[in-house]
Amino acid sequence: GDSVTQMEGPVTLSEEAFLTINCTYTATGYPSLFWYVQYPGEGLQLLLKATKADDKGSNKGFEATYRKETTSFHLEKGSVQVSDSAVYFCALSDYGGSQGNLIFGKGTKLSVKP
Amino acid sequence: DSGVTQTPKHLITATGQRVTLRCSPRSGDLSVYWYQQSLDQGLQFLIQYYNGEERAKGNILERFSAQQFPDLHSELNLSSLELGDSALYFCASSRQGGASTDTQYFGPGTRLTVL
Repeated sequence: GDSVTQMEGPVTLSEEAFLTINCTYTATGYPSLFWYVQYPGEGLQLLLKATKADDKGSNKGFEATYRKETTSFHLEKGSVQVSDSAVYFCALSDYGGSQGNLIFGKGTKLSVKP
Repeated sequence: DSGVTQTPKHLITATGQRVTLRCSPRSGDLSVYWYQQSLDQGLQFLIQYYNGEERAKGNILERFSAQQFPDLHSELNLSSLELGDSALYFCASSRQGGASTDTQYFGPGTRLTVL
């Protein structure tokens, strides 16, 4: 079945460091890919999405490119801030395979130190 | 604020009891999804409703049931509760529910603690 694998955390960075969180997927159809962020004590917020190969999603300085050839959707940010500390989830939806629900990775906890 | 509301925010109950979690989707959204987040299982899809009808089922236990009402709000009923049911329960909504480009917006969650 469909699945998402993302790098294990926690990830600890200093402020202004470069961030990469790796995400790869397995899907039977043509999934859309998402990054969600969960701040402490809160629900999930959509960070960015891409719906087809080579699309780049971007928001708040975060970027991810849908790479079909490597089945990847890595999250990047050039300069992280303390306020970016949160848990980041990679997810896919594949209406051809999984009827539209989201399949999530296990999440990567990011801590940014001042 | 995603526009999806969930009540209650916290729920503490005892084993064997039954509880109801409520979700109101964003205005105009027809689909409602329920997810369970636990430390050991991560985020797991439970069930989806679209315009009042069940659309898809995930890893939902037989002790759990859900419905979507004519005003599109949804309720998740959990019965014969066990310690292992303690988790965060999220509701999400989307405009349609049948297209991979559809985006799901999440509520703040209900934290269920079973003692």
